[in-house]
Amino acid sequence: GESVGLHLPTLSVQEGDNSIINCAYSNSASDYFIWYKQESGKGPQFIIDIRSNMDKRQGQRVTVLLNKTVKHLSLQIAATQPGDSAVYFCAEKASGGSYIPTFGRGTSLIVHP
Amino acid sequence: DTGVSQDPRHKITKRGQNVTFRCDPISEHNRLYWYRQTLGQGPEFLTYFQNEAQLEKSRLLSDRFSAERPKGSFSTLEIQRTEQGDSAMYLCASRLQGGQETQYFGPGTRLLVL
Repeated sequence: GESVGLHLPTLSVQEGDNSIINCAYSNSASDYFIWYKQESGKGPQFIIDIRSNMDKRQGQRVTVLLNKTVKHLSLQIAATQPGDSAVYFCAEKASGGSYIPTFGRGTSLIVHP
Repeated sequence: DTGVSQDPRHKITKRGQNVTFRCDPISEHNRLYWYRQTLGQGPEFLTYFQNEAQLEKSRLLSDRFSAERPKGSFSTLEIQRTEQGDSAMYLCASRLQGGQETQYFGPGTRLLVL
């Protein structure tokens, strides 16, 4: 399944499928991007980050893709598991100044066993 | 558990009352941030400290809100004369300046103003 950006707040997938969560950011001066996972009743948890001089970064089961031309960020989760069910936020930070990220609205990922 | 703790986890209060929340960051982290989060939205920045100095405040931080970090370790966020619109999750995060840019969030304090 695929989310077409944060305009679609819920993404439902079957366990084992790959998930893609998209994010459109607004500030062309942003140079650092982060994906957070937030489970119910908990604070956001860092998943993966990427700097603007890269277009792809891989972690364990997760990959972040950055397309600066269209100001688009995506999070790919391989072999999605029920424990991946959460709300996912992208955040961007403008270059220079203090480190204060701006968070997007969030996408709820529901993984069905 | 990220190592950032917040207390209390939940607070119910009546409109007009004052409330105070506490955040204990990761011990070596010199930067501490406060955010507010409402349902379905991402965290919104309120203010941040570098050691004991409050370096930046958002326009969201009305004069009823005050934050302190007197010894550069734990921080408190006080809301005076609470309003129903203050109901939200209040999140604290910390990071080490000059280190990885990642912020580590606490579990939050959920405030309900009746």
